[in-house]
Amino acid sequence: AQSVTQLDSQVPVFEEAPVELRCNYSSSVSVYLFWYVQYPNQGLQLLLKYLSGSTLVKGINGFEAEFNKSQTSFHLRKPSVHISDTAEYFCAADRGSTLGRLYFGRGTQLTVWP
Amino acid sequence: DTGVSQDPRHKITKRGQNVTFRCDPISEHNRLYWYRQTLGQGPEFLTYFQNEAQLEKSRLLSDRFSAERPKGSFSTLEIQRTEQGDSAMYLCASSLSRGQGTEQFFGPGTRLTVL
Repeated sequence: AQSVTQLDSQVPVFEEAPVELRCNYSSSVSVYLFWYVQYPNQGLQLLLKYLSGSTLVKGINGFEAEFNKSQTSFHLRKPSVHISDTAEYFCAADRGSTLGRLYFGRGTQLTVWP
Repeated sequence: DTGVSQDPRHKITKRGQNVTFRCDPISEHNRLYWYRQTLGQGPEFLTYFQNEAQLEKSRLLSDRFSAERPKGSFSTLEIQRTEQGDSAMYLCASSLSRGQGTEQFFGPGTRLTVL
């Protein structure tokens, strides 16, 4: 079965510092990758997605991610974080079936300190 | 368009009771998904509808769970004889099928607490 691994359950960082949230997936077939953000008491919001083409994907709120097929990774980055970026971040994969179900990682809690 | 809505947002029930949740997807979205999210975990797939047809059910969906989407619009998820292990956030998502890798739009979720 498709699995998505988020290597860090919690990432604390100071405001204006860069951050990287790591995600690895296991698959040898075509896969589509997503990063979602979940603020407290809210649903998941799409940050960015990789379907094909350029391996560097830019999303909302200044986030970007790089698809690395050889390392089966899709790490999320932001060069300078704000306190408002404090949230839970989920990496997810779609194996490309016609059903479109998503496989999620366990999530990474990003906490930005002043 | 107001996005995906779910009702209720919170539900507290006693073990053994039945509960029903409702999801209203974005209008004209033909795909609807239910996920369950427990504390410290990512969402796990439960079931999927394309229009009114339920096309896939996870092994997580025991016999006590049933989902419907009678007219291809809103959906309900019912849990019978609730157990404490059913306590979780139940998320609904919808999408418009436009090939593979289509974005799913999530609702705010229904948080179930079984006492």
